[in-house]
Amino acid sequence: EDKVVQSPLSLVVHEGDTVTLNCSYEVTNFRSLLWYKQEKKAPTFLFMLTSSGIEKKSGRLSSILDKKELFSILNITATQTGDSAVYLCAVRGGTSYDKVIFGPGTSLSVIP
Amino acid sequence: SAVISQKPSRDICQRGTSLTIQCQVDSQVTMMFWYRQQPGQSLTLIATANQGSEATYESGFVIDKFPISRPNLTFSTLTVSNMSPEDSSIYLCSVEPRVGDTQYFGPGTRLTVL
Repeated sequence: EDKVVQSPLSLVVHEGDTVTLNCSYEVTNFRSLLWYKQEKKAPTFLFMLTSSGIEKKSGRLSSILDKKELFSILNITATQTGDSAVYLCAVRGGTSYDKVIFGPGTSLSVIP
Repeated sequence: SAVISQKPSRDICQRGTSLTIQCQVDSQVTMMFWYRQQPGQSLTLIATANQGSEATYESGFVIDKFPISRPNLTFSTLTVSNMSPEDSSIYLCSVEPRVGDTQYFGPGTRLTVL
């Protein structure tokens, strides 16, 4: 069965800390890995990764994919209270047809 | 990306009633999807809304409970029928402007069933 696993499930850090969020997957016919940030209701898109070893970067956030080891990490440097959210990892692929499978999310709390 | 609106943004409903959620996109998109997010859980795909034909439902979801319409390439509705408290969730519409590309989400509908 296709699945996406994230760790840790929750995390509390102080402002200025650097955090690393993990995502591992077992999905047949892998096509891409997606990271989203969910603050209230709607997930907002962060990154889409398709190739191993190529870092994607946006401000203080960066992500990289390892297709051999089937995992990805999302790094956030110099965290701010506005980074507090649930970070969702999702993988596109599937046994019978192409769909997006979401992990459980990592709940990040950044305290002043 | 695409600009997506949903309405209502939230509602409180009585058991046994039905609610229809609307999703409107500012441009034509091939793929539209409906997700459910129960409290404390991640997103679960309900169905793919197909334009001009019946929706494709995921395991555990049926058309009688979650009828979906997709009359054109910019609009879809999801109805939650004969509601029970277990249907209390956030319901999210998403679109994929190009097949195989990133999915973008609407603002969501928070449903509470009493």
